[in-house]
Amino acid sequence: QKEVEQNSGPLSVPEGAIASLNCTYSDRGSQSFFWYRQYSGKSPELIMSIYSNGDKEDGRFTAQLNKASQYVSLLIRDSQPSDSATYLCAVYSSASKIIFGSGTRLSIRP
Amino acid sequence: EAGVTQFPSHSVIEKGQTVTLRCDPISGHDNLYWYRRVMGKEIKFLLHFVKESKQDESGMPNNRFLAERTGGTYSTLKVQPAELEDSGVYFCASSRSLTEIHEQYFGPGTRLTVT
Repeated sequence: QKEVEQNSGPLSVPEGAIASLNCTYSDRGSQSFFWYRQYSGKSPELIMSIYSNGDKEDGRFTAQLNKASQYVSLLIRDSQPSDSATYLCAVYSSASKIIFGSGTRLSIRP
Repeated sequence: EAGVTQFPSHSVIEKGQTVTLRCDPISGHDNLYWYRRVMGKEIKFLLHFVKESKQDESGMPNNRFLAERTGGTYSTLKVQPAELEDSGVYFCASSRSLTEIHEQYFGPGTRLTVT
């Protein structure tokens, strides 16, 4: 079992709709969770961090965390073509290092 | 504020040669990390500096890899001798302090190709 699991996609969503990206993790001791966006050939860009159960909203992005289920998600409202990218889920593990998932490719179709 | 910078952006070397990658973190960031992404795989942690000290180097694949951060500013990652499986994108990231250790900002990466 991978430490951080994501569906590789591609996930295709029509413009204006809500994109929902999911991630599960195996280390129950993890305390910090992140979503990075990576355009092709570019570096990962931190877009959301979440540390406690519940929802955290920032503009069109909402991160959701459920530690009991070891599940974290990212919702993108009013999806735009510029949101097309690979989204990486990352977890700060109890071993004091960040573990990345392999990423979900998101494609927003006009 | 300037971001994390890395040099070179791309390096092509032959098996057995040596390559040195450089990372300049965001000014004032004590924490510096090296990661690697091999084709088709997830980004993997290599090591973590706090200032000039190696905090965690558990991700370094073998003794052909040597990282330094003299003076606690920029860092270098040397691969000697390079092997085919070392090909990939090497990312550097930095974060400000232990209280913000989790929020890391990535550089553009160095794409290393070993032929």
